[in-house]
Amino acid sequence: QSVLTQPPSVSGAPGQRVTISCTGSSSNIGAGYDVHWYQQLPGTAPKLLIYGNNNRPSGVPDRFSGSKSGTSASLAITGLQAEDEGEYYCQSYDSDLSSWFGGGTKLTVL
Amino acid sequence: EVQLLGSGGGLVQPGGSLRLSCAASGFTFTNYAMTWVRQAPGKGLEWVSTISGSGGSTYHADSVKGRFTISRDNSKNTLYLQMNDLRAEDTAVYYCAKTPSKYSGTYHFDYWGQGTLVIVSS
Repeated sequence: QSVLTQPPSVSGAPGQRVTISCTGSSSNIGAGYDVHWYQQLPGTAPKLLIYGNNNRPSGVPDRFSGSKSGTSASLAITGLQAEDEGEYYCQSYDSDLSSWFGGGTKLTVL
Repeated sequence: EVQLLGSGGGLVQPGGSLRLSCAASGFTFTNYAMTWVRQAPGKGLEWVSTISGSGGSTYHADSVKGRFTISRDNSKNTLYLQMNDLRAEDTAVYYCAKTPSKYSGTYHFDYWGQGTLVIVSS
């Protein structure tokens, strides 16, 4: 069981905006550790989507954005597209430098 | 182009051992900490182990501590995961991934390999 909690699923129609939350505690996100986000499309390896709470790697569209506040973080996807359908994971660290992933959120594009 | 090619997976009996390898190319291997992440069938991602660029610092998840050992051979640009006393719950796809720093800190994983499947079953 992960120390980071994500909703199991979210959905939205093409063009809409969706958000995925990642809730931690005072020993991880709330302690100041950065949150990173990964996208895993069906049958593929995870891909880095957002690092350091709100930074996009080169090549990631600006439709994807991240934020962090207190013990939680969020990933927002605007202008939803069919190819965004997949699983999304947040990642952070605990005070003993153990890394944790959230349980994952399945995004369905209606 | 960064490439990470995992290998060594397969079917092993409970209590057995297996060594995974990850061949790296496209970057200066010794300059970056590396990590292993696994994913059980139909489940989420689980961090397993991280090693610094020099190999001098290693970290393991509690679930594998004392059974798994991460190591690297910088002369061969290869990352390893020695897995002993394997259990059914270790069945997963194992991904190797690169971090953006030589130090094993609180970093993200910027490049991932394709994964290698380990099945622990009698």
